[in-house]
Amino acid sequence: AQTVTQSQPEMSVQEAETVTLSCTYDTSESDYYLFWYKQPPSRQMILVIRQEAYKQQNATENRFSVNFQKAAKSFSLKISDSQLGDAAMYFCAYRSLLGSGTASKLTFGTGTRLQVTL
Amino acid sequence: DVKVTQSSRYLVKRTGEKVFLECVQDMDHENMFWYRQDPGLGLRLIYFSYDVKMKEKGDIPEGYSVSREKKERFSLILESASTNQTSMYLCASSLMTSSYEQYFGPGTRLTVT
Repeated sequence: AQTVTQSQPEMSVQEAETVTLSCTYDTSESDYYLFWYKQPPSRQMILVIRQEAYKQQNATENRFSVNFQKAAKSFSLKISDSQLGDAAMYFCAYRSLLGSGTASKLTFGTGTRLQVTL
Repeated sequence: DVKVTQSSRYLVKRTGEKVFLECVQDMDHENMFWYRQDPGLGLRLIYFSYDVKMKEKGDIPEGYSVSREKKERFSLILESASTNQTSMYLCASSLMTSSYEQYFGPGTRLTVT
């Protein structure tokens, strides 16, 4: 079974600065998807960024980018020019491409709570 | 925009009560999911459905059942609520193929007293 580990329960960043959230995972599969989801306080979880394992190029979405190290099984999220609206719980998630049924499920890490200070 | 709605944001029930949590999505998604979110544990999958009347157990199905009679609606049932089922419950939906992105509802915070 796959596992996802987020070793930083809480992080803090000053507005306009850059912060990196860590995520490692364990799998024996070669093809999979990785995701970062954001859950703002009292608001719905939304997708921030996605990475296909077969792609060597790191995904980027505006101020959000990932550092995907397949051999090291590492998938960190970098937030540049942090804004107050970035304050949220961030979850790293893994999705297998094999099989069906609950193989379609997402395996989540325990989350990192990001504070953004003035 | 995909919309996933859940019947209640907050719910308080007594031990032993039968509890229904409803989830509706409006994008004709085949897959629907129920997760439980607890601090320090992340999200854990309770049940999953990939078609009407089809369901599969997730990682923590004990004490729960589900119903999917229509494609857009997926219900989570606590047959006899217990205090250890106090939690945040999140519903999600996705297409069977394509981007695999899951779209989440706002969550139901259930308290069992």
